[in-house]
Order: sequence, then C-alpha cells, then structure tokens
Amino acid sequence: DAGVIQSPRHEVTEMGQEVTLRCKPISGHNSLFWYRQTMMRGLELLIYFNNNVPIDDSGMPEDRFSAKMPNASFSTLKIQPSEPRDSAVYFCASTAQGGRHKTRTGELFFGEGSRLTVL
Amino acid sequence: GQQVMQIPQYQHVQEGEDFTTYCNSSTTLSNIQWYKQRPGGHPVFLIQLVKSGEVKKQKRLTFQFGEAKKNSSLHITATQTTDVGTYFCAGPKGSSNTGKLIFGQGTTLQVKP
Repeated sequence: DAGVIQSPRHEVTEMGQEVTLRCKPISGHNSLFWYRQTMMRGLELLIYFNNNVPIDDSGMPEDRFSAKMPNASFSTLKIQPSEPRDSAVYFCASTAQGGRHKTRTGELFFGEGSRLTVL
Repeated sequence: GQQVMQIPQYQHVQEGEDFTTYCNSSTTLSNIQWYKQRPGGHPVFLIQLVKSGEVKKQKRLTFQFGEAKKNSSLHITATQTTDVGTYFCAGPKGSSNTGKLIFGQGTTLQVKP
C-alpha cells in the first residue's frame, strides 16, 4: 500500500499568493482529515471529510482557507490569500470508518506532510 | 473546550535511562491513542487503549489508561537513540466515534548516546 500521499512536500511562496495542497488518501479509506502543525499550537484539526462530504470544518482558521474532496481519492486544501502566519506543516490523514475496510483500531494514517513557508 | 494536555514538553535522557510522558484529558475518553513522530517525519500510530485501567506493552514501551479514562501514560524502559522523537497522545473529539482526534502538545524526547 502506498500510504497517504501529499504534494507538494515543500512550498515557499510570498504573502498574498494562492497555495493549494493536495492529498491522496489510502484506497478504501472513507474518512479524511487535514491537520496543521506548528510549534506554538501543535497539531490542530482543520477539517474532516466522511465519504467525500465535509462533516466538521470548525477548525478552519478563517475564510481564506477552503478544502474540497471531489472524489474518494483526492482532496485539496487551499489558502487564498496566504499570510506569513499560515507557515506550518500541513498533514493529511485518512482512516476507514465502518464498512469492510474499517481499520481495527480507528488509527489515523498520516501523509508525510506539506511544509509551507509564506514570506 | 475539550483539551488534551501532556507533560513534560521536553525530556533529555542519557541512553539507558527510563522515560515517562503523561497525558491528561479534560473529558472522559472512550479510548486514547498514542503516536510517535520522528524529527522531520509524520505522526505514526503506536497503540490504542480502550478499557479503564488497561495496560499494554510493546517491547520496551508500556502504555497505561487510567481508571477514570481521563489520563494515560507512556513509559519507555532503557531508552535507546532510536526512541528519539515526539510522542503524542490523542483522544476522540466529542462523544461520537468519527475518527476525529484531539492531540496533546506532545513530549519531545532527546536521548544522549
């Protein structure tokens, strides 16, 4: 299994630019999560999808952030316009809730992350 | 709001010494999970505890879930340099079993060879 795949691994951009982060969850997983990690705030849950539907976006910082999941194998997190305080590592994670692919313990499988630096 | 707290934030030990990190939740948890993140890496699942008072072992790692299901600990016996990293505990957000997790701030372990 290829695991959760994220791109890009690193992104350096200037303030005001649009940033799009991408994620391919593990095949068969029906829940997808976007987390942001910073030294100050640790791992924060931004948004959660179940069966491609956004269920909880209460962690999304503000309207500059948006996330989509057009199908079961792809999700994007977009920041427009980006600001220096958005600099962080963004992780995508997936798991299987219910169904024949249900993970035994409900553990999250994380991608390797996208390190974003906004200058 | 719901919080999961870990102490200590950092721990430096000499190789061979023991290490313990403690996790406390503001709410009763249905289960607790532990993850390890190596420097520059991503969180990797270690274990899940479900039952009150549960103790599980993985080689030199011992995980415990408190009787009230509000706290947990991870103990590493005779640390090795391969144990370096940040250890996170995580509990379900809210009461529903949706897979949403709230993570503690983590304990970063440094091991001197």
